[in-house]
Amino acid sequence: DADVTQTPRNRITKTGKRIMLECSQTKGHDRMYWYRQDPGLGLRLIYYSFDVKDINKGEISDGYSVSRQAQAKFSLSLESAIPNQTALYFCATSDQGLVNNEQFFGPGTRLTVL
Amino acid sequence: QKEVEQNSGPLSVPEGAIASLNCTYSDRVSQSFFWYRQYSGKSPELIMSIYSNGDKEDGRFTAQLNKASQYVSLLIRDSQPSDSATYLCAVRRRQDNNDMRFGAGTRLTVKP
Repeated sequence: DADVTQTPRNRITKTGKRIMLECSQTKGHDRMYWYRQDPGLGLRLIYYSFDVKDINKGEISDGYSVSRQAQAKFSLSLESAIPNQTALYFCATSDQGLVNNEQFFGPGTRLTVL
Repeated sequence: QKEVEQNSGPLSVPEGAIASLNCTYSDRVSQSFFWYRQYSGKSPELIMSIYSNGDKEDGRFTAQLNKASQYVSLLIRDSQPSDSATYLCAVRRRQDNNDMRFGAGTRLTVKP
């Protein structure tokens, strides 16, 4: 079984709809992240969480919200989706306390907003 | 100026050649540097990390870091068609948080 899973893997929605992307991990990591990837722009950090009670904005948090329901679960919501939120979304996890901790990525969710 | 810059490519090399991928970063206090490989439609996977000036070798891969020049590179020796992917450079700016910035990636094609 994959260590970091994301659901759904693909989603097409309409402008103005609310949508939630979910991420679960079995790695036992405390730290979780949401990124979006756009062609030519690389990965950009939306939100990150160091533990269940800790939520932090990343580079591009406007239009997004998150919920850390448990150590293993971190959800990303688009309250009112717009077309420029069409992108590939990745969840990632990392361990804490290590100087150079690697981030492990989920398989991604391809979101299209019409 | 982007915080992490990479040549988008595509970079094309013949099988067996050395592929050289380059990355520059703007924040002089950056401390940790990573190379991720991303196959088309897949998620990034870490292939190398480097924290000190100089070279770090792992199999066919060598990462090189020059903090004075704010430059990090990845060399792939004996390139194989399976190395064809997009390579993302990532830079972590501080030790006390996870503020990691990614470059847009360089697409590498290794031709048989």
